[in-house]
Amino acid sequence: AQKITQTQPGMFVQEKEAVTLDCTYDTSDPSYGLFWYKQPSSGEMIFLIYQGSYDQQNATEGRYSLNFQKARKSANLVISASQLGDSAMYFCAMNTDTGRRALTFGSGTRLQVQP
Amino acid sequence: DVKVTQSSRYLVKRTGEKVFLECVQDMDHENMFWYRQDPGLGLRLIYFSYDVKMKEKGDIPEGYSVSREKKERFSLILESASTNQTSMYLCASRIGGPQNNEQFFGPGTRLTVL
Repeated sequence: AQKITQTQPGMFVQEKEAVTLDCTYDTSDPSYGLFWYKQPSSGEMIFLIYQGSYDQQNATEGRYSLNFQKARKSANLVISASQLGDSAMYFCAMNTDTGRRALTFGSGTRLQVQP
Repeated sequence: DVKVTQSSRYLVKRTGEKVFLECVQDMDHENMFWYRQDPGLGLRLIYFSYDVKMKEKGDIPEGYSVSREKKERFSLILESASTNQTSMYLCASRIGGPQNNEQFFGPGTRLTVL
């Protein structure tokens, strides 16, 4: 079984600053994928970034980067130059290669960007 | 663009009613999923389907059943709705294959059971 832990229920950040959202995971499967999704107040889930367990480099997508530390089993999301539109719930999730393809989600972090 | 649609954004039902939540995707995806989202708990998997007529229980299947008669449609059924099934329900789909293929989500159905 796999588990995702997000220990920050809520975070505040000033506009234009960088922010790190924490995510730790647990699995015994050597092959797995880590995902981050954004959920604005409208409710839709927006895919942000993906990191595979065998990827040598940290994933980046525009202002989003994933700080992947395999030995520590952490997959923190870094948002650079925060914008007001970044205010949302953020979910870390994972699946494994040998298990079902469904995602296991953390409890989420609510990010509020202040002007 | 992949589109996943859900039949209702908001639904109010009474205890004991049979409830159908419909999900349709237009990208010929093999895999489809139903999640339930509650505050502080994130999303939890109810049921999933790898292909037509195939279904498997997720982490919280009690009180729910599913149907997948056509590839594009995955229905979640509450046989006898109860107040503890008041929640946001999210459907998702993905193409089959490697685990790195992302899931695409529908807009969600907020169900209230009175």
